[in-house]
Amino acid sequence: DVKVTQSSRYLVKRTGEKVFLECVQDMDHENMFWYRQDPGLGLRLIYFSYDVKMKEKGDIPEGYSVSREKKERFSLILESASTNQTSMYLCATTGQTTEAFFGQGTRLTVV
Amino acid sequence: EDKVVQSPLSLVVHEGDTVTLNCSYEVTNFRSLLWYKQEKKAPTFLFMLTSSGIEKKSGRLSSILDKKELFSILNITATQTGDSAVYLCAVDNYGQNFVFGPGTRLSVLP
Repeated sequence: DVKVTQSSRYLVKRTGEKVFLECVQDMDHENMFWYRQDPGLGLRLIYFSYDVKMKEKGDIPEGYSVSREKKERFSLILESASTNQTSMYLCATTGQTTEAFFGQGTRLTVV
Repeated sequence: EDKVVQSPLSLVVHEGDTVTLNCSYEVTNFRSLLWYKQEKKAPTFLFMLTSSGIEKKSGRLSSILDKKELFSILNITATQTGDSAVYLCAVDNYGQNFVFGPGTRLSVLP
C-alpha cells in the first residue's frame, strides 16, 4: 500500500521559531513536492525535488527552505515562522506516472 | 503563465441532485489533467485524463477532457452528503509539478 507520511497532523508554533515539517515516502519515487493550501487559493507549490540533494523553487518559496538528504525524505523548513505561514501543508510524490500521492497534511498555526 | 480555472467556486445542492464541475486550463505543455477530492485530510486522487473524448467513470463520478477547447468536466450523479468536499483540478505541464485550480467547494444538503 502506497504511503506518504507527514510527521505531524497539527502543529502550533510561535512567531520567530524555526519549524521543520517532515515527509517520508515508501514508494521509491524520485519526485517530491511541498504545497500549502489556503482557502480560495487552491494548492500552491513551495518547493520540489526530483532527486536526492536536488531542489527547485516552486511558486511561493519565500520564507521556506527544503532538504532532501535521502530519497525517501523531504523536509520543509520555516526559518523564522510568521503568522502568514499559518496554513495546511501537503507533501506529495510522483514516480514514473503523473499520478500524485499525497500525505495527510499538516495544519500549522503560527501564533 | 500556466493557469487553471475552476467554476463554480462554491456550490450547494440537495441529495440526489446531479452536479457538473468545470475546469479550464492554459498551459504551455499539457501532459494530463487530474481531479482530486479533498475533505479534511489530504486530497484523494479521482481521475487522470490524457486523451480527448474518453470518459472515465468510477461509480457515480465521471469525467471527460476536451483538449481542443482546453477544459474538463467532473460529473457527480445522485449526490450524497458524503460527496461534500473541495474538488481540485490540476494539470501536469511536464514540469514535474502540477498547476492546481482554486477548487470547487461542494456542499450536499440532506
